[in-house]
Amino acid sequence: TAGITQAPTSQILAAGRSMTLRCTQDMRHNAMYWYRQDLGLGLRLIHYSNTAGTTGKGEVPDGYSVSRANTDDFPLTLASAVPSQTSVYFCASSETGGRGQPQHFGDGTRLSIL
Amino acid sequence: SQQGEEDPQALSIQEGENATMNCSYKTSINNLQWYRQNSGRGLVHLILIRSNEREKHSGRLRVTLDTSKKSSSLLITASRAADTASYFCATPYTTGGNNRKLIWGLGTSLAVNP
Repeated sequence: TAGITQAPTSQILAAGRSMTLRCTQDMRHNAMYWYRQDLGLGLRLIHYSNTAGTTGKGEVPDGYSVSRANTDDFPLTLASAVPSQTSVYFCASSETGGRGQPQHFGDGTRLSIL
Repeated sequence: SQQGEEDPQALSIQEGENATMNCSYKTSINNLQWYRQNSGRGLVHLILIRSNEREKHSGRLRVTLDTSKKSSSLLITASRAADTASYFCATPYTTGGNNRKLIWGLGTSLAVNP
């Protein structure tokens, strides 16, 4: 079915290593988002992109970078992982950005930094 | 900078009973959205209610919105075991200009016992 595909589904990573979380959507949505979900803190926005070629910082952007070379892909990179980045990461999309529209989510990447 | 707060944090009911969960928010909104998250999965959009609407229905779901009290409620009627999930409310907030992003509550964990 159409939607958002995230990869990998889970990963254990040594501190200091880099990693890219992949996100692909096939709905031709303009806007895409990266969240992290932590117990007691809820969903927090890391970075977003309202359209291909543009990105913006969310609530917790430090230690993360994103790119949006085309409409479908929105990878999230951790340049040098730290244990506090242990979390579940969700990619989401919406038809347009900037209007608070409903979002479609992938099933997440569970990342453990040791 | 949490906008929405759901209560109760956890709710346990028997199959066939109704489940009500509430969301309070802090600032003016143009819409409020409810999402469901099954264990180990991404969030799924359930229903959006606009600020000029007071009540909205979708199948067994009924959502109300009281902008004077800055609160919303989600009612699930005739609950089923498959309704067991976490439920989140989300509201758009303005990050600058006309740029709106969703901000999320911490969710209500619903357990429907067979």
